[in-house]
Amino acid sequence: QKEVEQDPGPLSVPEGAIVSLNCTYSNSAFQYFMWYRQYSRKGPELLMYTYSSGNKEDGRFTAQVDKSSKYISLFIRDSQPSDSATYLCAMRIEGGSEKLVFGKGTKLTVNP
Amino acid sequence: GAGVSQSPRYKVAKRGQDVALRCDPISGHVSLFWYQQALGQGPEFLTYFQNEAQLDKSGLPSDRFFAERPEGSVSTLKIQRTQQEDSAVYLCASSTGQGLDTQYFGPGTRLTVL
Repeated sequence: QKEVEQDPGPLSVPEGAIVSLNCTYSNSAFQYFMWYRQYSRKGPELLMYTYSSGNKEDGRFTAQVDKSSKYISLFIRDSQPSDSATYLCAMRIEGGSEKLVFGKGTKLTVNP
Repeated sequence: GAGVSQSPRYKVAKRGQDVALRCDPISGHVSLFWYQQALGQGPEFLTYFQNEAQLDKSGLPSDRFFAERPEGSVSTLKIQRTQQEDSAVYLCASSTGQGLDTQYFGPGTRLTVL
């Protein structure tokens, strides 16, 4: 079993839909949780990060972390065709190695 | 300012050849990371440096993989005697090395081993 599990999709939604993406993890030492977006043939770019449990909102994006369930989510409101990309969750421990552990990525297509 | 750059962007190698992949981090960034991304998968950590010190190489899949950053800026990932399973996108990222700082990724080098 991988440390971070993410449903690869693909996920196809109409423009304007609310999108829910999520990951589960097994390592309780993870303290930092991130969502990256990756367009085709590009490197990942950071969308949001959260420390420990809680919610964080940035425009149309909301990240949630539930450490008790080892479950994180990213919600996209009013989705746009430009949101079509692969969304990767990533995590790291506090202290120690700075390496990120990624999920498999979920490929999202928003149809106009 | 300039982001992380990687070269070459595409590399085709015959099985058994050695390859060298280059990463130019963002100027002044202390930490530099290498990840391997197979088709349809998320990036997998290979190794990282803080300045010229290689602090974690736990992700290197075999002793055919070697990374260096001799002057604490540019880094090279070398793969000896390439195998077909080495075919992947190799991503480099850099960060300031302070606290929870963002890792900025380059566009990657797509390696195909025939």
